[in-house]
Amino acid sequence: KAGVTQTPRYLIKTRGQQVTLSCSPISGHRSVSWYQQTPGQGLQFLFEYFSETQRNKGNFPGRFSGRQFSNSRSEMNVSTLELGDSALYLCASSFTSTGELFFGEGSRLTVL
Amino acid sequence: KQEVTQIPAALSVPEGENLVLNCSFTDSAIYNLQWFRQDPGKGLTSLLLIQSSQREQTSGRLNASLDKSSGRSTLYIAASQPGDSATYLCAVSSDYYGGSQGNLIFGKGTKLSVKP
Repeated sequence: KAGVTQTPRYLIKTRGQQVTLSCSPISGHRSVSWYQQTPGQGLQFLFEYFSETQRNKGNFPGRFSGRQFSNSRSEMNVSTLELGDSALYLCASSFTSTGELFFGEGSRLTVL
Repeated sequence: KQEVTQIPAALSVPEGENLVLNCSFTDSAIYNLQWFRQDPGKGLTSLLLIQSSQREQTSGRLNASLDKSSGRSTLYIAASQPGDSATYLCAVSSDYYGGSQGNLIFGKGTKLSVKP
């Protein structure tokens, strides 16, 4: 059974640009969450989607947005990139809302 | 506001030693607690999930315990091996956001090094 797949794995952008990251959950999982990991702040929750609806959002500015499609695949978008957005962005999926989370390998974003 | 603390931040042990990693959280109103492993530059691998009604979970050489009333969890690793070297993260699922389980609050992790 395939795990959580994130693309792209690595990307470099410049300040002011925007970026879209993609996440394909484990087959059958309907909940998808996104996290940002930085050396200073650790892992921080961005948002969670379940059946195409955003159920929860972390404390991030409106430049960070996401969506989920009918096949449970999810994308997150960051507009007007800042240097501080450089991080590992991790996606996680779970079968039920009380279940175990399974993480992808992450998308490492570098903003120059 | 829920806060999760992991002590120590780093730990180095010789191969074969049994060890305990600690995790504490400030609010006992949790749904579950999960332990993860992260290798450098990689994503997180789920190790054990303990529901709030449970006291412990075991998987192979790993045993995790949960004491909600005291806000503590421990991860016990038996007979450590060099392949266990990684960062271990503890995360709790809180009900602050309407019971959504996808919102995990993470500790900063314990970086474990097992020397051959």
